[in-house]
Amino acid sequence: AQSVAQPEDQVNVAEGNPLTVKCTYSVSGNPYLFWYVQYPNRGLQFLLKYITGDNLVKGSYGFEAEFNKSQTSFHLKKPSALVSDSALYFCAVRDNTNAGKSTFGDGTTLTVKP
Amino acid sequence: EAQVTQNPRYLITVTGKKLTVTCSQNMNHEYMSWYRQDPGLGLRQIYYSMNVEVTDKGDVPEGYKVSRKEKRNFPLILESPSPNQTSLYFCASSSSGTAAFFGQGTRLTVV
Repeated sequence: AQSVAQPEDQVNVAEGNPLTVKCTYSVSGNPYLFWYVQYPNRGLQFLLKYITGDNLVKGSYGFEAEFNKSQTSFHLKKPSALVSDSALYFCAVRDNTNAGKSTFGDGTTLTVKP
Repeated sequence: EAQVTQNPRYLITVTGKKLTVTCSQNMNHEYMSWYRQDPGLGLRQIYYSMNVEVTDKGDVPEGYKVSRKEKRNFPLILESPSPNQTSLYFCASSSSGTAAFFGQGTRLTVV
C-alpha cells in the first residue's frame, strides 16, 4: 500500500526567510510525486511535480522540491517566504503502475508572518 | 478554459435521502477521482476511474457509488447518506503523468 507522511501539522516562518515543508512517501513502483496548495474556501491548486529526470524540480510561485530516492522524500522549499504563501500544503504520490490511485498526506499549514 | 465543475457547491440533506453530486471535466482526461477532505485527515480517495466504464475503490469507498458512462462525467452517489459522510468533497481529473485538476468542492452536511 502506498502512503504519504507530512510530519509537521504546522510550519511557521518569518517573511523573507527560507521555508521547508517536509514530505516522505512509500510506494511499490516508481513514484509520481506532487505538491498542491489550498487557500481558504478554495480547491487544490497544483504547484509542482516529479515524474522522472532531474531530482530538483521547480514549480509555480518560486517553489521547488527535491526528489530524494534513498530517503524517499520530496520536501517543498522556497528561498524567501511571502505572507501570501500562507496556506495549506499537500504532498501526494501515485504509483506509476496504477496512475489512478493517489494518496495524499494530511497537509501542512504554512503561516508566514510579516 | 480547462476546468472541473462540481455541483452543487453546498448541500444540506437528511439522513437516508439519496443524493448525487455531479462532476464534469472538459480536458478529455482519462482519470477521474473523488476525494473527501476532513480536518486533520487530509484528502482521502473515495473512488477513481481510469476510463469509461472502468472504476475502482479508493481508500474510503463505503457508502458511496460512482459511475463513468461518459469520459467527461463522473457522478458521486450517496444512496443512503449518514451524518459521518458530512464532509468537503472534491472531484479531480488527470492524465497519466499529469497533475490533477480539482473542482471547487462540494460541502455536504447530513443531518
